Amino acid sequence: AQTVTQSQPEMSVQEAETVTLSCTYDTSESDYYLFWYKQPPSRQMILVIRQEAYKQQNATENRFSVNFQKAAKSFSLKISDSQLGDAAMYFCAYRTDQETSGSRLTFGEGTQLTVNP
Amino acid sequence: DTAVSQTPKYLVTQMGNDKSIKCEQNLGHDTMYWYKQDSKKFLKIMFSYNNKELIINETVPNRFSPKSPDKAHLNLHINSLELGDSAVYFCASSQVGGADTQYFGPGTRLTVL
Repeated sequence: AQTVTQSQPEMSVQEAETVTLSCTYDTSESDYYLFWYKQPPSRQMILVIRQEAYKQQNATENRFSVNFQKAAKSFSLKISDSQLGDAAMYFCAYRTDQETSGSRLTFGEGTQLTVNP
Repeated sequence: DTAVSQTPKYLVTQMGNDKSIKCEQNLGHDTMYWYKQDSKKFLKIMFSYNNKELIINETVPNRFSPKSPDKAHLNLHINSLELGDSAVYFCASSQVGGADTQYFGPGTRLTVL
């Protein structure tokens, strides 16, 4: 079974600075998808960014980018120019490509990000 | 327009009661899910339905019964509620194929007293 590990329960960053959240996963599959979701205090789960394992190019979405290292099974999230609104719990998630009728997300434990003004 | 909606957002009830949580999506997706987020914020899949057919059924007590009247709706009924059922329950939906990104509802915080 796949597992996802986020080794940083809490992180903090100064406003306008850059922060990197770590995520590692364990799988024997070669095709899969990785996601970062954000959960602010409102508890809504918001998709931040996704990465297809078959793509070598790292995904970017505005101030958010990933460092995807397939051989190392590492998928870190970099937030540039941090804003107060970025404060939230961030979850790394894995999805297999093996199930064709809708697949479960396997989540990490989450990293609570604090942004200091 | 709300993409994935859940009702109610908060549910407080006594042990032993039966309750339901409703979920609706207007994204035209084929697949819907229920996830449970425990007190430590850990999220885990409970069920998945594809076109009204049960696809994923994790190790969940049979007091939990999902029902999908059509592919836009997936309800969760819980019988004989226990203290340990207190959690946030999220509904999600996705379109099969490609990245199959899942979009989540706002969650229902269930508190069992």
